[in-house]
Amino acid sequence: GAGVSQSPSNKVTEKGKDVELRCDPISGHTALYWYRQSLGQGLEFLIYFQGNSAPDKSGLPSDRFSAERTGGSVSTLTIQRTQQEDSAVYLCASSLGRQGEKLFFGSGTQLSVL
Amino acid sequence: AQSVTQPDIHITVSEGASLELRCNYSYGATPYLFWYVQSPGQGLQLLLKYFSGDTLVQGIKGFEAEFKRSQSSFNLRKPSVHWSDAAEYFCACYFFDYKLSFGAGTTVTVRA
Repeated sequence: GAGVSQSPSNKVTEKGKDVELRCDPISGHTALYWYRQSLGQGLEFLIYFQGNSAPDKSGLPSDRFSAERTGGSVSTLTIQRTQQEDSAVYLCASSLGRQGEKLFFGSGTQLSVL
Repeated sequence: AQSVTQPDIHITVSEGASLELRCNYSYGATPYLFWYVQSPGQGLQLLLKYFSGDTLVQGIKGFEAEFKRSQSSFNLRKPSVHWSDAAEYFCACYFFDYKLSFGAGTTVTVRA
């Protein structure tokens, strides 16, 4: 597609429920990133995919968080048993190859856990 | 450890006044340096970047940034701000580890 697409743009859920956030990167971009933006915290790196593999999952805050990527394209970030502290904007970015300096960002998913 | 620091959480500036946002990094060499802007409800937009060469970098929307190796800094400036410059600004570094590392951001409020 023309840009990085994320859905939904907004998600409100109840504490304890599972949520799935979707990212559709720019066509041909092999690298995909997830970041979390919490109030006053800047952008926190969560996970990096190269193709369908995730060489670096070090940023995932707990085992409630997981992500997958299929077909070298769409990625899903899943948060199980959501907690209020999970409320944040989740941003996805993609880039060509291993070019972490040339990221293209989506508009993000605003997650609110009540 | 590698890090990016934006010392100012919030800055208020009058329309037409100049703006300077500070950014410092900690790294054993010179990283690639970036400034992004995020307007309310919008995604991140790249303002400018520095890889090497001339230490004064021009970007979009009238912004510029200056790299100072001796201070490990990459400060963003604009000579005259417009109300539309009200946004959150992020400094980012590429420490050659495949990802961008971001500062905590500076929120800019523009008063009339």
